[in-house]
Amino acid sequence: KAGVTQTPRYLIKTRGQQVTLSCSPISGHRSVSWYQQTPGQGLQFLFEYFSETQRNKGNFPGRFSGRQFSNSRSEMNVSTLELGDSALYLCASSLNDRIQETQYFGPGTRLLVL
Amino acid sequence: QKEVEQNSGPLSVPEGAIASLNCTYSDRGSQSFFWYRQYSGKSPELIMSIYSNGDKEDGRFTAQLNKASQYVSLLIRDSQPSDSATYLCAVNIRKLTGGGNKLTFGTGTQLKVEL
Repeated sequence: KAGVTQTPRYLIKTRGQQVTLSCSPISGHRSVSWYQQTPGQGLQFLFEYFSETQRNKGNFPGRFSGRQFSNSRSEMNVSTLELGDSALYLCASSLNDRIQETQYFGPGTRLLVL
Repeated sequence: QKEVEQNSGPLSVPEGAIASLNCTYSDRGSQSFFWYRQYSGKSPELIMSIYSNGDKEDGRFTAQLNKASQYVSLLIRDSQPSDSATYLCAVNIRKLTGGGNKLTFGTGTQLKVEL
């Protein structure tokens, strides 16, 4: 079974631009979560989607948004990019939204903001 | 107080030794606990999950959970150089209303297994 896929893998943007990242979960998985990883802050939770509904949200500004489609694929968008948004963005999927479900991570999208 | 705390290391152990990685968490409502391994430049991969007090063994790995002490640990027996990586402790804290999960990660412990 194919794992979580994320596109693009690498991205370079300039301040003020916006970016959209895509995530395809493992086949049959209905829950998708997004994380930001930076050397200074570590792995931080952005949001979780289940059945096209945002179920939980981390402490990030409104410039960070996401959505989930009926096929469970998810996108996240960052508007008005800042230098501090440079990070590895990780998507993780799980079968459903039960608390004991394991989340499986994709390879990540590395975003560099210049 | 951080929600999930780990010693950042590096923790150096000789090949063949037991590596002991520790994690404490602050939210008593935490219900599920995970250890992920992350190699440099790669994404996290699951090593172990544990939900009940006590020990859970899987090959060379043993996870230990003590909810009263809010403490979870990972033991790696017969450590190999290929075990050298950053080990991330993650705690799932469920919202009281509306469902939804949120994995909160520690900053990770860097493990170095030396020949």
